[in-house]
Amino acid sequence: GIQVEQSPPDLILQEGANSTLRCNFSDSVNNLQWFHQNPWGQLINLFYIPSGTKQNGRLSATTVATERYSLLYISSSQTTDSGVYFCAVVAYNQGGKLIFGQGTELSVKP
Amino acid sequence: GAGVSQSPSNKVTEKGKDVELRCDPISGHTALYWYRQSLGQGLEFLIYFQGNSAPDKSGLPSDRFSAERTGGSVSTLTIQRTQQEDSAVYLCASSPQGGLVTEAFFGQGTRLTVV
Repeated sequence: GIQVEQSPPDLILQEGANSTLRCNFSDSVNNLQWFHQNPWGQLINLFYIPSGTKQNGRLSATTVATERYSLLYISSSQTTDSGVYFCAVVAYNQGGKLIFGQGTELSVKP
Repeated sequence: GAGVSQSPSNKVTEKGKDVELRCDPISGHTALYWYRQSLGQGLEFLIYFQGNSAPDKSGLPSDRFSAERTGGSVSTLTIQRTQQEDSAVYLCASSPQGGLVTEAFFGQGTRLTVV
């Protein structure tokens, strides 16, 4: 089945710093989503981005489907950005299930 | 409803007992998913419903696990004869048509502890 790899696995930032999280996937995808899991365990939708670039405030994402990767950019990080960031994809040949990467755990220090 | 709702939020059960976890998807969403997340781990796919049928149940870890969906809406995940390794957060998600081209939204999860 499709493999989804996220990097880095862990990241520690000082408040105000910028960061880039990466998601690589091993096969063509129909669907790609980025989620933020907050310290209470809730999964928050950040972007639905099977291709192209989107921006929402300090966050932006780019998916290059032909090269099988997606990037999540966090600018001017805040302590509330802490948590785990997941990338999830639906592969063309695997029906409708959403397959998750292992996540990037981000800690933003004041 | 406004979002995906799961109940109970927390469940503590004794080893060997059966448990039922409930998921109310967003109104009108035809696709529904169950995932499991063990402590400090990623999300493990369990089962996917399109309407009332389950085209993909490949992630159910054993025959102690089953799920059903009725009326194209509420889904119940049942775990029989619970074991300590079943302890995890069980997450439900729904999407308007199916994972292929639409966005999925998650509930807050049910934290299951088997003692």
